Amino acid sequence: GAVVSQHPSRVICKSGTSVKIECRSLDFQATTMFWYRQFPKQSLMLMATSNEGSKATYEQGVEKDKFLINHASLTLSTLTVTSAHPEDSSFYICSALGQGNQPQHFGDGTRLSIL
Amino acid sequence: AQSVTQLDSQVPVFEEAPVELRCNYSSSVSVYLFWYVQYPNQGLQLLLKYLSGSTLVKGINGFEAEFNKSQTSFHLRKPSVHISDTAEYFCAVSASNDYKLSFGAGTTVTVRA
Repeated sequence: GAVVSQHPSRVICKSGTSVKIECRSLDFQATTMFWYRQFPKQSLMLMATSNEGSKATYEQGVEKDKFLINHASLTLSTLTVTSAHPEDSSFYICSALGQGNQPQHFGDGTRLSIL
Repeated sequence: AQSVTQLDSQVPVFEEAPVELRCNYSSSVSVYLFWYVQYPNQGLQLLLKYLSGSTLVKGINGFEAEFNKSQTSFHLRKPSVHISDTAEYFCAVSASNDYKLSFGAGTTVTVRA
């Protein structure tokens, strides 16, 4: 149980494109989802916390207009990287928390490459 | 705020040998502790967690960890590793009254035949 699906797994697109990444909890309801960014050979950096039906809470230094997060249902959160540029290239990982109970369950990540 | 220090960035080990990955944390409040494993180009998989109760925690794939409050440590151990244990391992901490995780920098385990 506790499966989190992230889609797409890999995206390659041109600079200026907006990219949407989906995170779904497949077999549980996720009241809270998290979005992380991971640079090569580094740890995960929390970008934002997404609560169903309310605005996301962004970590310091993360541009909320750049990284739009929507958590419209208890099983789906989306991250949209708007007007992506090469410096936005990274590995983005989501996680989900079921009804407030630890631990977080992680998706398989999305490799975003902006040309 | 909580923080995590993983003392070893890389751990090479021979197949069937034991391995220990060290993790120390800092927090002014009670904590939950986790170990996750990440295989190349994949997300994180939970190995084990400490929320409360017994300080010796057993996880998947033969891993175990011991919570030591006085030493603020949560070291991960496996008595006999396999080639398939080659991966990146992350220790993480959260305050027991919060859901946010703080991750260590990670330890790369490379198992050689």
